[in-house]
Amino acid sequence: AQSVTQLDSQVPVFEEAPVELRCNYSSSVSVYLFWYVQYPNQGLQLLLKYLSGSTLVKGINGFEAEFNKSQTSFHLRKPSVHISDTAEYFCAVQRGGSEKLVFGKGTKLTVNP
Amino acid sequence: GAVVSQHPSRVICKSGTSVKIECRSLDFQATTMFWYRQFPKQSLMLMATSNEGSKATYEQGVEKDKFLINHASLTLSTLTVTSAHPEDSSFYICSASVDNRMPYGYTFGSGTRLTVV
Repeated sequence: AQSVTQLDSQVPVFEEAPVELRCNYSSSVSVYLFWYVQYPNQGLQLLLKYLSGSTLVKGINGFEAEFNKSQTSFHLRKPSVHISDTAEYFCAVQRGGSEKLVFGKGTKLTVNP
Repeated sequence: GAVVSQHPSRVICKSGTSVKIECRSLDFQATTMFWYRQFPKQSLMLMATSNEGSKATYEQGVEKDKFLINHASLTLSTLTVTSAHPEDSSFYICSASVDNRMPYGYTFGSGTRLTVV
């Protein structure tokens, strides 16, 4: 069974600073990887996904993530954050052949002025 | 784009009563929908997979008699929390599979905050 570990439960940063949210997964088979963002009392919005091909994936709102198979990681990055990026971020994995998503515990990103 | 509408967004009910949450796909047909539960400051836990025209598949530890799921049409799935108790208070989110090809694309509803008093 696959699992997802988000190493940081909370990440505080100042506005316009770069940020990296870490995600590691474990799976013995090929997987698809996702990052979702959740604003308070709302559902999840897809930021980006890795399916195959280029290991650097660009998503919405200036976010990008890099798939590293040898380190089983899929870290999310943004070079300059805004106050509006304050939200909960979830990394998720989907095993090939399965329709289920397995989520990490989430990382609360707080952008301070 | 694909939109999933979830209703109500918030509901408060008395202990012992039942509550129904609706999840509708507005501009696409969803043969598969998923129901998640999210505890405060925690991740989403899959409760069940709902397939149109058949019985839902529940995850281990989820009481199927307490959380009734009906997926009667290609655009509507409902979750009914029966005989609700305060410990059922939580944030419930549905999602729908947008297409039937792997890897599936998913779109999420905006969630329902259930408070049982």
